[in-house]
Amino acid sequence: AQKVTQAQTEISVVEKEDVTLDCVYETRDTTYYLFWYKQPPSGELVFLIRRNSFDEQNEISGRYSWNFQKSTSSFNFTITASQVVDSAVYFCALSEFLSSGSARQLTFGSGTQLTVLP
Amino acid sequence: NAGVTQTPKFRILKIGQSMTLQCTQDMNHNYMYWYRQDPGMGLKLIYYSVGAGITDKGEVPNGYNVSRSTTEDFPLRLELAAPSQTSVYFCASSYSGTVSAEAFFGQGTRLTVV
Repeated sequence: AQKVTQAQTEISVVEKEDVTLDCVYETRDTTYYLFWYKQPPSGELVFLIRRNSFDEQNEISGRYSWNFQKSTSSFNFTITASQVVDSAVYFCALSEFLSSGSARQLTFGSGTQLTVLP
Repeated sequence: NAGVTQTPKFRILKIGQSMTLQCTQDMNHNYMYWYRQDPGMGLKLIYYSVGAGITDKGEVPNGYNVSRSTTEDFPLRLELAAPSQTSVYFCASSYSGTVSAEAFFGQGTRLTVV
């Protein structure tokens, strides 16, 4: 069965520090997608990025960057020069087809609470 | 841009009461999902729908029911509320059922059963 592990429950950093959030996943499928979502204190889930299982290129978007390594089943997320507004819970999720084949399921990790202190 | 709208935002129920969590989306998405988020945990899939009139169980369906009479609406029904159903409930929709499809989430309903 698919599984997503975010071993870091809580991380605190001081503003302007870099921080990396770890995500390790398990799947038997060869075709899957990985997602990162942000959940700010207001509670909604905000999509950040998706990556398919065949694309191991790292990606940078502003202060955010993602490192996908299939060999270690990891999809880590780095925030450079963190800001107070980055404080949120960050979820990694694995997207696979349901056993019915009719739709897909997102399997979420338990999340990492990031607190950026001023 | 309403996206996915959930009502109510907060609710307190007594054990044994029933309620319906409403979810509506204005993006004409066929695929809709209900998740629950327990404290310190990731989201778990309760039910999903691939189109009007078609629903199926997810990972944790016990104690819940759903219906999908229109493309826009996907209500979640709790018939006999139990303390174990205290959670935050998220409705989501996506334009397709492929593994790449981005899911759009509502703001959540925080339910407490006492």
